[in-house]
Amino acid sequence: QKEVEQDPGPLSVPEGAIVSLNCTYSNSAFQYFMWYRQYSRKGPELLMYTYSSGNKEDGRFTAQVDKSSKYISLFIRDSQPSDSATYLCAMSAAGGTSYGKLTFGQGTILTVHP
Amino acid sequence: NAGVTQTPKFQVLKTGQSMTLQCAQDMNHNSMYWYRQDPGMGLRLIYYSASEGTTDKGEVPNGYNVSRLNKREFSLRLESAAPSQTSVYFCASSSGTANYGYTFGSGTRLTVV
Repeated sequence: QKEVEQDPGPLSVPEGAIVSLNCTYSNSAFQYFMWYRQYSRKGPELLMYTYSSGNKEDGRFTAQVDKSSKYISLFIRDSQPSDSATYLCAMSAAGGTSYGKLTFGQGTILTVHP
Repeated sequence: NAGVTQTPKFQVLKTGQSMTLQCAQDMNHNSMYWYRQDPGMGLRLIYYSASEGTTDKGEVPNGYNVSRLNKREFSLRLESAAPSQTSVYFCASSSGTANYGYTFGSGTRLTVV
């Protein structure tokens, strides 16, 4: 079983929809949680960063972390065609063998159609 | 500010050929990483360098070697390319730990025939 599981989709939604992207993980040492966005034929870019549990909002994007359930989410409100990309969750530990290294989910391909 | 620069962007190799993928960062980051990305597999860590002078294996190191030439540069070498190494390779860097995220290069698309 992978340490981080992410539904690869693909996910197709109409413009203006609310999008929910999710990851589950098994390593209870993970403390830092991130979402990356990757456009076609580009490198991933950091979109959201969260430490431990809770919510973080940045414009149309909200990241949620539920450590008790080992579950993280990214919500996109009022989705736009420019949001069409692959979204990767990533996480790292504060110590132990995973310290200093990010573990990524498989990525979810999102298409927002006009 | 260039960030992380990877060369080349595309490469086609024949089975058994060797090549070196180059990576340089201009952000004074201590740590550098090489990942490969394959459909359905996500990003898998090949090798990383926590600081200048150190390198360690990641999840999929077989068939690869690395060199941390200095603080800026981290190269990945394929000594005898195999079709299974057909992939997109990404270099990344971080300030000291990965806990605040990586900065990625734009990738090298490698095809081994």
